[in-house]
Parts: sequence; C-alpha cells; structure tokens
Amino acid sequence: GAGVSQTPSNKVTEKGKYVELRCDPISGHTALYWYRQSLGQGPEFLIYFQGTGAADDSGLPNDRFFAVRPEGSVSTLKIQRTERGDSAVYLCASSLYAASSETQYFGPGTRLLVL
Amino acid sequence: GQQVMQIPQYQHVQEGEDFTTYCNSSTTLSNIQWYKQRPGGHPVFLIQLVKSGEVKKQKRLTFQFGEAKKNSSLHITATQTTDVGTYFCAGRWNNAGNMLTFGGGTRLMVKP
Repeated sequence: GAGVSQTPSNKVTEKGKYVELRCDPISGHTALYWYRQSLGQGPEFLIYFQGTGAADDSGLPNDRFFAVRPEGSVSTLKIQRTERGDSAVYLCASSLYAASSETQYFGPGTRLLVL
Repeated sequence: GQQVMQIPQYQHVQEGEDFTTYCNSSTTLSNIQWYKQRPGGHPVFLIQLVKSGEVKKQKRLTFQFGEAKKNSSLHITATQTTDVGTYFCAGRWNNAGNMLTFGGGTRLMVKP
C-alpha cells in the first residue's frame, strides 16, 4: 500500500506564527513517530504515539511543541510562536507496532522555514 | 542521554572503491538499524541487526553487529554513483523506549 505521507511538503512562516504539520501513516500501523532533522545532522526524536496516546514525548524541545493523534491514525504536530531555530525538516515515521524490534518507515518530511 | 557515534562524517571515493562507515555506542544496544538518505530525500530503511555478531548482506552491502552489541558497520564493495547519499545508523536500547537514536551520518560521495 501507500507509504507514510506528510503535508505540506514545504512550509514558510514568519517568526511568532503558529503552524500545523500533518502525517498520514501507513494503513494499519499503530505506532507513529515524529523526528526533526536539522541540516547536516541525523533525525532527532520528538514524540511517539501508540494508538491515540502519546507514549513518549520526552524529545519535544519545549511547550511550544504539541502533537495529537485523536483517532489513532493521522497525527498533527503543532508549533506555537515559531522561532527561527525551529527551521528544520520534520519527519514522521510509522511502524506496525510500538515495539523496539519494529522497523520504522519514514515519510518524505515537511521542510519548515521560519523567517 | 544515550548516543550513537558515527564515523567518518564524509567520505569521497572513486567509483569502484570500497566504503565503510562505523557506529559505536558506549552501552549495549538492543538493536541497530541502517538507513540511507539521498540528497533532498528522507531516510529509507536498509536493514535491522538484532543478534550479537550478526552479519547480513544485501548485494554489495555488508552489515555487521559487534559481539558486544555496542558497534556496527556498513561496508559497500565496489561503490557505484547510485550509492551516493548519507548513511545513518540508528540504535535502540533496552528499557529506553522505542524511538530511534540516530548517529550523525556518513555522507558518501562517489566520483565517476
């Protein structure tokens, strides 16, 4: 079936604005992960969901970042009062189950630029 | 927190030469995954290693997991221009959640 999809593919916003990034996981995958990748670095974990609940949000950098997955499928990452340092590629991944042995499949990412 | 160190950061090779990237953790890993990211693309899963001393091959790619499950390597034999990209290892530890902790990546450039 289709892979992980993310929208928008690119987002340009101004400092202080609010943004929402969407992730549509592979159908049937119960676990969903958000990572952030800055230029020249590896992806860094933000938060992951098992079903509808956030199982681990220890990677969220501060309280401006929030994510939801109300129906256990699509997830939205929300960033309030954006700062220039938030500019990065936001990657979503999903896996069949939330287990440490499961492969995570990544979406194409949303490239966020905060001016 | 736990980290995975990856070397080298960059590698230029002539087409046909071999290439190796190494990952190291100071503590025992549960498993390690390898991803390839093409320029402008997203990480694409290559393989997962779970067992101590495990060796897996995919055509010209050979993946190894150390006996102590603290290090891993990816070796490419006779590189081709299609191998260009950044190779990341990503580790997980027992009792540390399901998230992946990525190394810094090794960017491979191949001269034709």
